[in-house]
Amino acid sequence: NAGVTQTPKFQVLKTGQSMTLQCAQDMNHEYMSWYRQDPGMGLRLIHYSVGAGITDQGEVPNGYNVSRSTTEDFPLRLLSAAPSQTSVYFCASSYSELNTEAFFGQGTRLTVV
Amino acid sequence: TQLLEQSPQFLSIQEGENLTVYCNSSSVFSSLQWYRQEPGEGPVLLVTVVTGGEVKKLKRLTFQFGDARKDSSLHITAAQPGDTGLYLCAGGDNDMRFGAGTRLTVKP
Repeated sequence: NAGVTQTPKFQVLKTGQSMTLQCAQDMNHEYMSWYRQDPGMGLRLIHYSVGAGITDQGEVPNGYNVSRSTTEDFPLRLLSAAPSQTSVYFCASSYSELNTEAFFGQGTRLTVV
Repeated sequence: TQLLEQSPQFLSIQEGENLTVYCNSSSVFSSLQWYRQEPGEGPVLLVTVVTGGEVKKLKRLTFQFGDARKDSSLHITAAQPGDTGLYLCAGGDNDMRFGAGTRLTVKP
């Protein structure tokens, strides 16, 4: 039972490049979310999904897109990377939006130069 | 937006000391959660508090939810170096939000 798996663990991008951060969970959780973590700011919610085919914006959605075509996968797309998107990104899942015990992946450390 | 403020931001203590960290908000939450995060890892859930005034104990850690369900505290008794980490509180339903965390260092 792998839990929440994020790939890659590390990534360096040039300004303007696009990329997709992958997130997969094998716990049959309905709720999935993406956070970014910056020093002194805790985790900030980017986008979340309460089930396949349903996504919504969090606190800091600009510059990011998500889709949820299956229960297992919730990829995060950076459309045109900017240095301000340098951060550590965490994907999380929970059984439902009402049962909010969140299980986190190990994170993706992204640097945009 | 439901904001969660945590204090102190940093705390450095000696092994064996007691400490309390706080999580405050102007909003009412149906529940609050505490997570602990170690370097290079994602946060891991410690506890969820649901009822106003609730007290939960996890070995040397005691969690309390305020009567009005707007605040919570985490008390650690006889801290050990293994308690070192970032302690985060979180609340919300669909859009769970986190505080900025308290970074605890316990020196041997």
